[in-house]
Amino acid sequence: EIVLTQSPVTLSLSPGERATLSCRASQSVGNYLAWYQQKPGQAPRLLIYDASNRATGVPARFSGSGSGTDFTLTISSLEPDDFAVYYCQRRAFGGGTKVEIK
Amino acid sequence: EVHLVESGGGLAQAGGSLRLSCAASGFPFSGYWMSWVRQAPGKGLEWVANIKQDGSEREYVDSVKGRFTISRDNAKNSLFLQLNNLRVEDTAVYYCARESAHYSQCDNWGQGTLVTVSS
Repeated sequence: EIVLTQSPVTLSLSPGERATLSCRASQSVGNYLAWYQQKPGQAPRLLIYDASNRATGVPARFSGSGSGTDFTLTISSLEPDDFAVYYCQRRAFGGGTKVEIK
Repeated sequence: EVHLVESGGGLAQAGGSLRLSCAASGFPFSGYWMSWVRQAPGKGLEWVANIKQDGSEREYVDSVKGRFTISRDNAKNSLFLQLNNLRVEDTAVYYCARESAHYSQCDNWGQGTLVTVSS
């Protein structure tokens, strides 16, 4: 069973700053990795699929990179709407990273 | 527009059963793998099960194997999850989701239905 470990658990940043979120797999997953955003009381929203492809309607400030065991979600300049919890997934989900306002 | 609507959640006793449904619309339901994902109160997401387009393949997370059964009715554009022998730790919001890429990457989600299991 592949385990995904996300870091950091919490990221405190200000609007306009760059956010870098990490997801590490316990064994290679190729490029089969997705990233989701979830806000309180809402269903998850797909941001990135197959490690680096933006889903329909996702702003260009969101980008994904990596392959094998190490992956990164980057938000180039945080907007107020971006403060949320982010999950990586390759069937099983990582534990999540909360991006909060500093 | 893709629309997924879950129903069937509620309160059940430990050892009891519930059947969740997901009504799909706005896309060719029979052309997609479908998943169930759950989220315990205040916790992260957990993938639960998925099913192939024709129902011929199904996979489950270890914690629900032998207790939960995923199924679908393509004629009615519906997805189901039968929950048997419920445990307190099965308490969660259960989401229905459409798979769009390998290994259960999901591009559309329902709003979820809450299952509460009491001891």
